[in-house]
Amino acid sequence: QQPVQSPQAVILREGEDAVINCSSSKALYSVHWYRQKHGEAPVFLMILLKGGEQKGHEKISASFNEKKQQSSLYLTASQLSYSGTYFCGTPYNQGGKLIFGQGTELSVKP
Amino acid sequence: EAGVAQSPRYKIIEKRQSVAFWCNPISGHATLYWYQQILGQGPKLLIQFQNNGVVDDSQLPKDRFSAERLKGVDSTLKIQPAKLEDSAVYLCASSRLSVGEPNTEAFFGQGTRLTVV
Repeated sequence: QQPVQSPQAVILREGEDAVINCSSSKALYSVHWYRQKHGEAPVFLMILLKGGEQKGHEKISASFNEKKQQSSLYLTASQLSYSGTYFCGTPYNQGGKLIFGQGTELSVKP
Repeated sequence: EAGVAQSPRYKIIEKRQSVAFWCNPISGHATLYWYQQILGQGPKLLIQFQNNGVVDDSQLPKDRFSAERLKGVDSTLKIQPAKLEDSAVYLCASSRLSVGEPNTEAFFGQGTRLTVV
């Protein structure tokens, strides 16, 4: 079952903050976050392995609430380079079949 | 470390023709995925290999799509015959993942953009 992301699209000015949410109706073993720029392959950002875990990558961080079956990606002081489509992915089962959400398109304007 | 290699980068074919895509994963990666990404959507898993065995192909339209991973390294994905709705980017990804360890990141290739006319 595909995780659901919100919002579908965000437009920011440089320096502004954004939050992208990912939720699932199934139990989450972990949550993966990827960024894909137009015409390029998705690039791995981070993985959260257990409830309560938080991680950071540059000024991008994420949290994972296992009980609520959701994860949030936080982009602070956004830069032009943050533009792209962000996907969350969750393993479907212990076998690791990685299922992606529909994506959130982030546009950072000067 | 070399990344995931895919070829060709672009392919245009007429409907009912056949096409094949090739993927060379990162050395030592046991798991290989093929995803289909239609414009504006998230990648949709078609098939997952663990070494040269199929772990999951539940989303693969088997009447027209086939995939193999000989010797547990390179993989090919074939479509025969192609339909207009097969127009998409086909992404190959690999990971060190072993079945039972779902928490390993996947590395993606650049993809093959297929246009069926």
